[in-house]
Amino acid sequence: AAGVIQSPRHLIKEKRETATLKCYPIPRHDTVYWYQQGPGQDPQFLISFYEKMQSDKGSIPDRFSAQQFSDYHSELNMSSLELGDSALYFCASSPPAGTHNEQFFGPGTRLTVL
Amino acid sequence: QKEVEQNSGPLSVPEGAIASLNCTYSDRGSQSFFWYRQYSGKSPELIMFIYSNGDKEDGRFTAQLNKASQYVSLLIRDSQPSDSATYLCAVNAGGFKTIFGAGTRLFVKA
Repeated sequence: AAGVIQSPRHLIKEKRETATLKCYPIPRHDTVYWYQQGPGQDPQFLISFYEKMQSDKGSIPDRFSAQQFSDYHSELNMSSLELGDSALYFCASSPPAGTHNEQFFGPGTRLTVL
Repeated sequence: QKEVEQNSGPLSVPEGAIASLNCTYSDRGSQSFFWYRQYSGKSPELIMFIYSNGDKEDGRFTAQLNKASQYVSLLIRDSQPSDSATYLCAVNAGGFKTIFGAGTRLFVKA
């Protein structure tokens, strides 16, 4: 079965640089979520999109922005990167409304900021 | 108080035993409850979800929900060393936001 695809899988950036993470949800899933997970921590919800509109917002810094495109893929744009942004970034998708928002996670992008 | 609380563990059980993982949540309006398994450096993997009071069984896994006590648990029967991982409890109170607990580390000793 198709799963959530994330790219790149690994990314190394310098402080103050920008990064773009991409997420391709499971086919026919219309909701995408972004999470940040630091070492030894639980996933922290950043932002979600439903039908290409922002549906909820969590602890996403103002330096970050995201969007969902017409093909339902999503991109997380991160600017003015800081050392503390080093983490695993997961994207998850869930099937159309009427289910219980079970989320299926992608493999993650490991971002290292030097 | 965190919205979703789990004992961080580690919880250590011998192979073949029953592992019991517990989770409490603070929002009485919570509607859907999920258990994820996460191996180190990997993404969370959905094991089960439950939304009605009572038990829900799937293979060796049983999820139990008690909304009055705001409590959800996961039982793993016949625990195997491959079950050693961090188990994340997640709660959705409607809408799109799901809150994760900090996870319980489980070790199954061969």
